[in-house]
Amino acid sequence: GENVEQHPSTLSVQEGDSAVIKCTYSDSASNYFPWYKQELGKGPQLIIDIRSNVGEKKDQRIAVTLNKTAKHFSLHITETQPEDSAVYFCAAPQRGSTLGRLYFGRGTQLTVWP
Amino acid sequence: GAVVSQHPSRVICKSGTSVKIECRSLDFQATTMFWYRQFPKQSLMLMATSNEGSKATYEQGVEKDKFLINHASLTLSTLTVTSAHPEDSSFYICSATPSDNPQTEAFFGQGTRLTVV
Repeated sequence: GENVEQHPSTLSVQEGDSAVIKCTYSDSASNYFPWYKQELGKGPQLIIDIRSNVGEKKDQRIAVTLNKTAKHFSLHITETQPEDSAVYFCAAPQRGSTLGRLYFGRGTQLTVWP
Repeated sequence: GAVVSQHPSRVICKSGTSVKIECRSLDFQATTMFWYRQFPKQSLMLMATSNEGSKATYEQGVEKDKFLINHASLTLSTLTVTSAHPEDSSFYICSATPSDNPQTEAFFGQGTRLTVV
């Protein structure tokens, strides 16, 4: 099955700085890569996703890049704000499965200091 | 966006009893729903895929007789933790994909915190 590795496990940045979280995956057939934000005691919320037919996608302060050759994808948050503090998860669907059947990375606790 | 609702959000039960968690898609139909478990400070682990009108598909290592899944309608899946023990205490999260467009995204519920005492 799919194996998703995520780094770093914790990340602290000053407000206004950028944050980058990286994930690698093992299944070259994977074609959908979502990023989720999870606040304490809540379910994960999709913040951005990318499909294998593009290399980059941006939504305001959030961007995701995908390198299919190297099998890794990254989340970029610019101009970070304290409310960006949360746990972020990358994920990928299991081979040959609907994209709802996801393997998650271990998560990154992002702390943005004011 | 589409909404998935779980009920209850928190539940405390005694060891040995069973507890049912509901997952509803509020504004779309979902032939397929998914159940995850998340222990404190850990990632989400897929437990099973809930299929409307047929048996659930369980991930390796998940006991199907302990975690009973029923998906009787296109908007409701239930997870019953039978004979719960303290080690079953966890955060249970469901997700659903729209039947008419399953390749869009998976929508997650807000989670259910189960504490077994």
